Amino acid sequence: DAMVIQNPRYQVTQFGKPVTLSCSQTLNHNVMYWYQQKSSQAPKLLFHYYDKDFNNEADTPDNFQSRRPNTSFCFLDIRSPGLGDAAMYLCATSSWQGWDNEQFFGPGTRLTVL
Amino acid sequence: SQQGEEDPQALSIQEGENATMNCSYKTSINNLQWYRQNSGRGLVHLILIRSNEREKHSGRLRVTLDTSKKSSSLLITASRAADTASYFCATDAQTSGNTPLVFGKGTRLSVIA
Repeated sequence: DAMVIQNPRYQVTQFGKPVTLSCSQTLNHNVMYWYQQKSSQAPKLLFHYYDKDFNNEADTPDNFQSRRPNTSFCFLDIRSPGLGDAAMYLCATSSWQGWDNEQFFGPGTRLTVL
Repeated sequence: SQQGEEDPQALSIQEGENATMNCSYKTSINNLQWYRQNSGRGLVHLILIRSNEREKHSGRLRVTLDTSKKSSSLLITASRAADTASYFCATDAQTSGNTPLVFGKGTRLSVIA
């Protein structure tokens, strides 16, 4: 089945130790998103790629970077995780053709910062 | 901000009852979508309603959209314990280009067996 896969599902890192979260998709969608979601809050968009074009949200900290080496893969790099970065990180994809931009989400990666 | 606001924030009902959640937003939209999230998981798309539509059905789900009031409602009929989850509305701004969705804060639904 076509899907969005995130690895790992759970990630524990130490304060200040860089960490990379990965996302892959078999849907061949041209848009990929990264969201941060803290407990009982709405998903907050960090950035998205429209094909190779990177779009950063204005309030996304510089500590967060992303790479999309090809259509299928997208990475979230947190250069120096702080305690406040502990959250669920959600990857999503969509196919922006016309106005119906339904998003398909992965299961998420739960990040713990010690 | 265009962010949708759901109410109530939390809803607890008995199995078999209907659950109604509301969403309000601030700007003109192309469409409004509802998503469901089980605890600790990703979001799942439930239904999309376009700005020129007023009502849409999918199984036990019924969504209405009132663009004059900038509001939408999601009705789940004959609820089941398995419907326990958080429900989010999401909107995209009506612009000439594509814009990402903005999610509301969600309604936490608990269905008690």
